[in-house]
Amino acid sequence: KAGVTQTPRYLIKTRGQQVTLSCSPISGHRSVSWYQQTPGQGLQFLFEYFSETQRNKGNFPGRFSGRQFSNSRSEMNVSTLELGDSALYLCASSSSLAGVRNEQFFGPGTRLTVL
Amino acid sequence: QKEVEQDPGPLSVPEGAIVSLNCTYSNSAFQYFMWYRQYSRKGPELLMYTYSSGNKEDGRFTAQVDKSSKYISLFIRDSQPSDSATYLCAMSYSTSGSRLTFGEGTQLTVNP
Repeated sequence: KAGVTQTPRYLIKTRGQQVTLSCSPISGHRSVSWYQQTPGQGLQFLFEYFSETQRNKGNFPGRFSGRQFSNSRSEMNVSTLELGDSALYLCASSSSLAGVRNEQFFGPGTRLTVL
Repeated sequence: QKEVEQDPGPLSVPEGAIVSLNCTYSNSAFQYFMWYRQYSRKGPELLMYTYSSGNKEDGRFTAQVDKSSKYISLFIRDSQPSDSATYLCAMSYSTSGSRLTFGEGTQLTVNP
């Protein structure tokens, strides 16, 4: 079974630009979560999508947004980039079925550098 | 104060040593406890998943949860150079969906 894939793997942008990152979950998984990882703050939850609906949201500004498509693929968008947005953005998928151990499987991440 | 505290290390041990990694947490609502391993430039990989107090063993790895003390541990026996990575504890509760709260991560180096 193929794992979680994320594209692109590396991205360089300048302040003020916007960026879109993509995540394809494991086949059959309906939940996709996004996390930001930085050396200072560690892994922080951004949001979770399940069946095309945002189910949970972390404490990030509105510049961070996401969506999920009917095939469970997800995108996240960051508008008006700031230097502090430089980070590894990780996507995780899970089956999120009731009664099933909902392990989350992470992709390799997209490393975003904002200059 | 962070909900989950984890000593960031770095921790350096000789090959074959027993490694102990620990996390404490403040939110008593946490019910599910995980340990992830993250190699450099890779995504986290799930090592252990527990949802009750007590011990769970998987090969050289043992996860321990003490809910009364809000304390979890991961023990690695007979550590190998290939165990060199960052180890992250993570937690969630039943109403948090798939949202995980992570510790800062402990960087481990096992020297041959």
